[in-house]
Amino acid sequence: GAGVSQSPRYKVAKRGQDVALRCDPISGHVSLFWYQQALGQGPEFLTYFQNEAQLDKSGLPSDRFFAERPEGSVSTLKIQRTQQEDSAVYLCASSYSLLLFYEQYFGPGTRLTVT
Amino acid sequence: AQKITQTQPGMFVQEKEAVTLDCTYDTSDQSYGLFWYKQPSSGEMIFLIYQGSYDEQNATEGRYSLNFQKARKSANLVISASQLGDSAMYFCAMREGQGGGGADGLTFGKGTHLIIQP
Repeated sequence: GAGVSQSPRYKVAKRGQDVALRCDPISGHVSLFWYQQALGQGPEFLTYFQNEAQLDKSGLPSDRFFAERPEGSVSTLKIQRTQQEDSAVYLCASSYSLLLFYEQYFGPGTRLTVT
Repeated sequence: AQKITQTQPGMFVQEKEAVTLDCTYDTSDQSYGLFWYKQPSSGEMIFLIYQGSYDEQNATEGRYSLNFQKARKSANLVISASQLGDSAMYFCAMREGQGGGGADGLTFGKGTHLIIQP
């Protein structure tokens, strides 16, 4: 079956531009997560959705970051007025279960470069 | 304080040897889950193995096993009979129970870069 897909795979933005990153989770997965992975580091949690409800956005680094999942499937992470420090790989993950300790399946990521 | 510590930035191992990747964690929760992920140079994160805090048996998945020592807060990954395709970054991660007030996502360590040599 299809895994988690993300688009675009690569995005170059000029500083100050807005960007939108898309995540298509595995069909039927109710939980969806966004992570940010800086070069040479482990991923860092950004936000979590359970169906369409955003239950945790404690990891979003600033109010320039916004995520939505309006119909409980596809999710979009939007970054307004991009800064150079936003350059990173943005990973989306989904999980079938609402249980806390179910494995998450990751997409290939979107590599964002802000120039 | 770091919640997940991986002390080995890089490791070189001969093919067919067993390898242990270290991971220690810090939590005050009684209920938590520990995960290992593999990230090849292609970038995708591949789930390898999971251990729950209440599991009495060490988890195993094929060539992967997790050496869980709860009192020491240690969750080392053991790969038996290493293969060239095992070369990748390996991340240890934890998800805490909601009673701890932690975020709902996984907390990752900095990773270990494993290189298998022929």
